Amino acid sequence: GAVVSQHPSRVICKSGTSVKIECRSLDFQATTMFWYRQFPKKSLMLMATSNEGSKATYEQGVEKDKFLINHASLTLSTLTVTSAHPEDSSFYICSAPIDRLAFFGQGTRLTVV
Amino acid sequence: AQSVTQLGSHVSVSEGALVLLRCNYSSSVPPYLFWYVQYPNQGLQLLLKYTSAATLVKGINGFEAEFKKSETSFHLTKPSAHMSDAAEYFCAVSKSGGSYIPTFGRGTSLIVHP
Repeated sequence: GAVVSQHPSRVICKSGTSVKIECRSLDFQATTMFWYRQFPKKSLMLMATSNEGSKATYEQGVEKDKFLINHASLTLSTLTVTSAHPEDSSFYICSAPIDRLAFFGQGTRLTVV
Repeated sequence: AQSVTQLGSHVSVSEGALVLLRCNYSSSVPPYLFWYVQYPNQGLQLLLKYTSAATLVKGINGFEAEFKKSETSFHLTKPSAHMSDAAEYFCAVSKSGGSYIPTFGRGTSLIVHP
């Protein structure tokens, strides 16, 4: 199947700093990518839809200025967690659709200390 | 609107026993249905999908699921559990004729005892 690569897999950062997470579609072009957040023992919460060449669409309750999304090319979307705080610690997963299937990255475990 | 309900946050089986993970869906239009598996600290891997073709769908790792419209169910089964099957399993639904953004259930943790 299609491959979606997410980097880094783990990151620890200090409170107040920013962290960038990359999501790449390796063998196909993705005009749309999705960013999810997963809390412990919980399902995936869709945060936003990343659109190549245009602004991202955020779900209700997700802070646009906190979670900056950039989709500058057909194979790369980035999520930047700005001024991170411990409550932002979570597992973030990206996804790219192809042929009506969602393919997921490996996820990024963010720990803010 | 569409949604899925996974019955049981945890299912515990012995190695070699039948695995049954339950999923019921709600959708106003014919659905596409999926099962994904997630191992610790990893992303989601597609196990199998139903897209209005055969109602009995076979997936990877010996898993299969049957779409039952009358019961609005899409339960996941495997005849004989392996230790390596221990993971989190998510049922998901999307609209067949619209957005392909899946809506996920809360997940079922499969525990396999030796």
